[in-house]
Amino acid sequence: GENVEQHPSTLSVQEGDSAVIKCTYSDSASNYFPWYKQELGKRPQLIIDIRSNVGEKKDQRIAVTLNKTAKHFSLHITETQPEDSAVYFCAASGGLGGSQGNLIFGKGTKLSVKP
Amino acid sequence: DGGITQSPKYLFRKEGQNVTLSCEQNLNHDAMYWYRQDPGQGLRLIYYSQIVNDFQKGDIAEGYSVSREKKESFPLTVTSAQKNPTAFYLCASSIVTGTGWPQHFGDGTRLSIL
Repeated sequence: GENVEQHPSTLSVQEGDSAVIKCTYSDSASNYFPWYKQELGKRPQLIIDIRSNVGEKKDQRIAVTLNKTAKHFSLHITETQPEDSAVYFCAASGGLGGSQGNLIFGKGTKLSVKP
Repeated sequence: DGGITQSPKYLFRKEGQNVTLSCEQNLNHDAMYWYRQDPGQGLRLIYYSQIVNDFQKGDIAEGYSVSREKKESFPLTVTSAQKNPTAFYLCASSIVTGTGWPQHFGDGTRLSIL
């Protein structure tokens, strides 16, 4: 089945700098890759997603890139602000087979933005 | 995502006791999911349901049970067979199952052992 690896597990940046979080997946049939932001004690919230027919997607300060050949995708946050501090999760759809397209999550990256 | 309501927010379980976590959605979504979140472990799928009266085991179903008698409701029971139930439990829904459909989460229930 699908396996998703996420790096780094923690990331500390200065306010205004960029942050990059990377994920790799194992199932070449996966074709949907969402990113979630979870603040302490709260629900995960979808911040951006990408499908495999697209290489890059942007939404203001957030962008996601996908390399299908290498089976990895990345979240890029530019001009970071203290309110960007949270845990970020990547996920990949399980493709066909036993997981029936369900999301498989990475273990998360704790991002800290220092003022 | 105010359309998914989980209750209670905090729950305590005694030894040998079954407890039930509630999840209700008013988004008219067919698919619903239960995840368990432990520190540093990400989200792991317990059970999911594609449609009323149908549900499937996820990766860590042992010690849990679910029902799906109504489209809006997908309660999770943590049975006494689950020896390590302390975790944050998240319910989610999507329009349908299968790849490409975003999942939207509730606020979660934090379960602890007394």
